[in-house]
Amino acid sequence: EAQVTQNPRYLITVTGKKLTVTCSQNMNHEYMSWYRQDPGLGLRQIYYSMNVEVTDKGDVPEGYKVSRKEKRNFPLILESPSPNQTSLYFCASSYIQRDKDEQFFGPGTRLTVL
Amino acid sequence: GQSLEQPSEVTAVEGAIVQINCTYQTSGFYGLSWYQQHDGGAPTFLSYNALDGLEETGRFSSFLSRSDSYGYLLLQELQMKDSASYFCAVRSFTSGTYKYIFGTGTRLKVLA
Repeated sequence: EAQVTQNPRYLITVTGKKLTVTCSQNMNHEYMSWYRQDPGLGLRQIYYSMNVEVTDKGDVPEGYKVSRKEKRNFPLILESPSPNQTSLYFCASSYIQRDKDEQFFGPGTRLTVL
Repeated sequence: GQSLEQPSEVTAVEGAIVQINCTYQTSGFYGLSWYQQHDGGAPTFLSYNALDGLEETGRFSSFLSRSDSYGYLLLQELQMKDSASYFCAVRSFTSGTYKYIFGTGTRLKVLA
């Protein structure tokens, strides 16, 4: 089954404790992206990757890191989480095509930073 | 800056037609997408317009006018299961990369 998986689905942590949210896709997509979703703000792009070893900042990259060592995986790293990073996080992937643009989203990770 | 505007909430009755508008201000505009998100779920893709005009997919249609920086999603024959949030999203292309900006979402309530 074609899908994007994220782990963990739920996480409660404390300020300053490093964490990683994993993301994996099995569709051989070139493009992968991380979003955070907060009430009233929609989805905001944190980081994205056009291909292996190529990553770029989105609109809200502060406090986050990513890596793309393999095509299928795109982990999100919070080196020192703070309460303002409490949010719902989505990973997404897609092909890079001129005339089509369908992003496939993972199920989401609800993060609470105390 | 870059921004998208869409209504925060729309209410309609079952069987009706509803239109959700989206206006955008972005540089490097490449295309406009629409996503549906049910409460507690992930966004799912509905439609994409790169060129001016109407794209039809079953009960859903999407329209784009690049000259007006405007698009809309049209939902016909509304069903209760269409109650969800709908997001427009701009794909922009600058400096050789694609980026995405999402609107803040329109909550659609379908009444029986």
